[in-house]
Amino acid sequence: EAGVTQFPSHSVIEKGQTVTLRCDPISGHDNLYWYRRVMGKEIKFLLHFVKESKQDESGMPNNRFLAERTGGTYSTLKVQPAELEDSGVYFCASGRPGANVLTFGAGSRLTVL
Amino acid sequence: EDKVVQSPLSLVVHEGDTVTLNCSYEVTNFRSLLWYKQEKKAPTFLFMLTSSGIEKKSGRLSSILDKKELFSILNITATQTGDSAIYLCAVFHAGGTSYGKLTFGQGTILTVHP
Repeated sequence: EAGVTQFPSHSVIEKGQTVTLRCDPISGHDNLYWYRRVMGKEIKFLLHFVKESKQDESGMPNNRFLAERTGGTYSTLKVQPAELEDSGVYFCASGRPGANVLTFGAGSRLTVL
Repeated sequence: EDKVVQSPLSLVVHEGDTVTLNCSYEVTNFRSLLWYKQEKKAPTFLFMLTSSGIEKKSGRLSSILDKKELFSILNITATQTGDSAIYLCAVFHAGGTSYGKLTFGQGTILTVHP
């Protein structure tokens, strides 16, 4: 099966600009997660979709971050306006219903200057 | 607050050495403990551990979980340069809105020199 695909692999933007990251999960995986790793820190949970519904968004840092999963397929994570501290690697992961393991994408590296 | 701590944070060894990576955890709603290997790109799954004392093995890698003492170890024997990577430990949460959420440790950076 195809893996979890993320786009872009790297984005460099200036403070105040907007960036949209996209994740295509493995087909049939209802569960989709966003995680983020900022420099020197551990990977941290941002939010969890079950199909198109937000199950848990307790990890979203603030209201500059907006995640969507219209139609329950791919998901987007928009950062608007971006701040310097938003720099990091944003990982997407997906899993089947009831799964004990998540499959990760390669991540989207965001650099905010 | 849920916490996963890995040690050491970095490790440099020579090919052929054996290494032991540690992971301790304090979390609510434990379902399983996962080990991932991250090279340049996506973290790739190594092991899932749910029961204490049962060793999981894959080639030169093995892992075991102790649910009483709340830790896991990942062993790599006869290391090779291709084992150089970041090894991530994560707890998979069960139940309620946290289902499926992973809490990660900081990772152990393993460097294997020829």
